Amino acid sequence: VMMTQSPLSLPVTLGQPASISCRSSQSLVHIDANTYLTWFQQRPGQSPRRLIYKVSNRDSGVPERFSGSGSGTDFTLKITRVEAGDVGIYYCMQGTHWPYTFGQGTNLEIK
Amino acid sequence: QVQLVESGGGVVQPGRSLRLSCAASGFTFSGHAMHWARQSPGKGLEWVATISYTGRDIFHVDSVKGRFTISRDNSKNTLDLQMNSLRPEDTAIYYCVAEVGDRDFAHWGQGTLVTVSA
Repeated sequence: VMMTQSPLSLPVTLGQPASISCRSSQSLVHIDANTYLTWFQQRPGQSPRRLIYKVSNRDSGVPERFSGSGSGTDFTLKITRVEAGDVGIYYCMQGTHWPYTFGQGTNLEIK
Repeated sequence: QVQLVESGGGVVQPGRSLRLSCAASGFTFSGHAMHWARQSPGKGLEWVATISYTGRDIFHVDSVKGRFTISRDNSKNTLDLQMNSLRPEDTAIYYCVAEVGDRDFAHWGQGTLVTVSA
């Protein structure tokens, strides 16, 4: 399953919103009715950190500024007000069909 | 809390072998599937291999099939990746990932760097 993210580069002014799109080449609805779409944040020199799982469930410790939405093949990660600490690369990943696959990554930077 | 510590990375010549290990703690290792993923500058993040909690079900991505083998020792809480016939395109940081919940990919190790170069 191919995962396509856009944009690949996202310069954002502090305090402004940001949005990342992720599209899959086939439906991510599993036979168990769950949609295993995960969003990760990766800061330089660190391992990926999970932010959102099953499309829209925020991990504990993840600010409410982050939200995930979507269904089927179209998904979105939104940040309501970007802060300096949000700089990094964001990846979507599908865990419905093996082999699990990632998007190319979106590099969020401060303008 | 869940801890995953990879080891075994290094510089190796093309065609040679390397064995990576992941020491797991903070959860019931024998009750959960485990994975290896890798990250290279050229190809981004790639899922490499998956092993069920019993070790009976094993999957390898096509790019490593026949060369890499994932395995686990539930008595020692360790996950391994035997890598044979290494190629320059296998150069990457290799991460151990624990699936503690259903398709739960929240827990990653710090990674170990493998460089395949003459």
